[in-house]
Amino acid sequence: KAGVTQTPRYLIKTRGQQVTLSCSPISGHRSVSWYQQTPGQGLQFLFEYFSETQRNKGNFPGRFSGRQFSNSRSEMNVSTLELGDSALYLCASSLGHGSSYEQYFGPGTRLTVT
Amino acid sequence: GESVGLHLPTLSVQEGDNSIINCAYSNSASDYFIWYKQESGKGPQFIIDIRSNMDKRQGQRVTVLLNKTVKHLSLQIAATQPGDSAVYFCAENRGGKLIFGQGTELSVKP
Repeated sequence: KAGVTQTPRYLIKTRGQQVTLSCSPISGHRSVSWYQQTPGQGLQFLFEYFSETQRNKGNFPGRFSGRQFSNSRSEMNVSTLELGDSALYLCASSLGHGSSYEQYFGPGTRLTVT
Repeated sequence: GESVGLHLPTLSVQEGDNSIINCAYSNSASDYFIWYKQESGKGPQFIIDIRSNMDKRQGQRVTVLLNKTVKHLSLQIAATQPGDSAVYFCAENRGGKLIFGQGTELSVKP
């Protein structure tokens, strides 16, 4: 069974631009969560989608948004990019929503904002 | 507030020795913890988990200990191998939201 895939793997953007990252979960998984990883703040939860609905949200500004499609694939969007948005963005999928389900991570998208 | 912290940022061990990585948490209501391993260029990989109704759980070469009294958990790796070199994170799963510690980088010397 294929793992979680994320595209693109690397991205360079300029301040003020917007970016869309994509995540394809493991087949059969219906929940997708997004995390931001930086050297200073570590791994921080962005949001979780289950059955096309946002179920959980972290403490990030409204510039960070996401969505989930009927096939469980998810996208996250960051508008008006800032230098501090440079990070590794990780997607994790699980069978269901809640703490009973193990989360499987993708390799991440490395975003650099210049 | 929410926090899951680690005691040491780096740990260096000799191949074949046992490794112990520690983690502290602040929320006494926390009831589900997971250890992840992250190798360079990869996402975190599940190692082992433990719920608050247990004090100890064992996997293949790994053991997690949970001390709810002092809000501390540890990951023990037996007979550490070069392939164990990575950053290790403890995390609390709170309703599907993972709250991570800062990570400990484990280096294994041959």
